Amino acid sequence: AQSVAQPEDQVNVAEGNPLTVKCTYSVSGNPYLFWYVQYPNRGLQFLLKYITGDNLVKGSYGFEAEFNKSQTSFHLKKPSALVSDSALYFCAVREANQAGTALIFGKGTTLSVSS
Amino acid sequence: DAGVIQSPRHEVTEMGQEVTLRCKPISGHDYLFWYRQTMMRGLELLIYFNNNVPIDDSGMPEDRFSAKMPNASFSTLKIQPSEPRDSAVYFCASSYSGELFFGEGSRLTVL
Repeated sequence: AQSVAQPEDQVNVAEGNPLTVKCTYSVSGNPYLFWYVQYPNRGLQFLLKYITGDNLVKGSYGFEAEFNKSQTSFHLKKPSALVSDSALYFCAVREANQAGTALIFGKGTTLSVSS
Repeated sequence: DAGVIQSPRHEVTEMGQEVTLRCKPISGHDYLFWYRQTMMRGLELLIYFNNNVPIDDSGMPEDRFSAKMPNASFSTLKIQPSEPRDSAVYFCASSYSGELFFGEGSRLTVL
């Protein structure tokens, strides 16, 4: 069965500092991995995805994520955090060879960036 | 494109009443998903459709919940009768190439 773990309920960083939001996954085969962001009272917005190729994936708003197969991780990163990055972040996974399956989401990590 | 459109955005009802949530997916998308979000359980997949056909409804909590997709541009999620524990934000999402596009959600409060 597929699963996603986001070990931190909340991450606090100061504006201008680098940020990391952690995600680990479990699938039987190769993974397709996604990050989404949710602002208060809004739906989830797609940030970036890993399908294949370069392990470092760049996405919207200056975010990037690194796929690490040996550690089964897909951590979200940004070199310099902004106050406006404060939101709820979700990691999601599905198996690469199962096109007809849904994404499984982690429980989410609240990112709080202080000025 | 207007994106995924959900209605109503907010619904307050009393226990025992029927609730119908509606979703219009993005035109051309062939997958439609219903998720439920609560503080305790996070984001749960309820059911999803491919080309209007239900593929997996194993996440539907119980028989009080039902979902339909009569055509490619419309889906409903119905709860009958509603209970206070059904209070949550219900999201509809559609996809074509892998990533999901979410609606703004329907916040349901059952008193």
